[in-house]
Amino acid sequence: GENVEQHPSTLSVQEGDSAVIKCTYSDSASNYFPWYKQELGKRPQLIIDIRSNVGEKKDQRIAVTLNKTAKHFSLHITETQPEDSAVYFCAASPGGGNKLTFGTGTQLKVEL
Amino acid sequence: DGGITQSPKYLFRKEGQNVTLSCEQNLNHDAMYWYRQDPGQGLRLIYYSQIVNDFQKGDIAEGYSVSREKKESFPLTVTSAQKNPTAFYLCASSLQWITNEKLFFGSGTQLSVL
Repeated sequence: GENVEQHPSTLSVQEGDSAVIKCTYSDSASNYFPWYKQELGKRPQLIIDIRSNVGEKKDQRIAVTLNKTAKHFSLHITETQPEDSAVYFCAASPGGGNKLTFGTGTQLKVEL
Repeated sequence: DGGITQSPKYLFRKEGQNVTLSCEQNLNHDAMYWYRQDPGQGLRLIYYSQIVNDFQKGDIAEGYSVSREKKESFPLTVTSAQKNPTAFYLCASSLQWITNEKLFFGSGTQLSVL
């Protein structure tokens, strides 16, 4: 089955700096890669996703890049703000249904 | 917050006891899921249901059981066969069981063993 590795497990940045979280996947059939954000005490919410026919997608301060050859994808957050502090999960799906394999999560802390 | 509701928020299980976690959604979604969240291990899929009266094992189904008798409800039973049940349990739903569908999560149930 699919295996998703996520790094780093914790990340501290100063407010206004950029943050990058990286994930690798094992199943070359995977074609959908969402990112979920879980703030402390709250439920995970989808923040951005990318499909395998696209190399990059942006939504305001958030962007995701995908390298199918290397089987890795990354989340980029620019101009970080305190409200970006949360746990971020990447995931991958091989298609044929909505079964997601999640990474282990990254605790992002944005310091003032 | 609305849409998908989990109860209780906290649950305690005694040795040898079965406990049931509730998950209800009013989003008219076909697909529902149960995930287990442990520190440092992300979200792992326990069971999923593509449509009412159907359910399939996920990656860590041993010691758990589910039912899907109504579209809006997908309860999870943690049986005495689950030897390490302490975890945070998240229920989710999506409009359909197809790739790329956004998951909507409940607020979770923290299960602990007495």
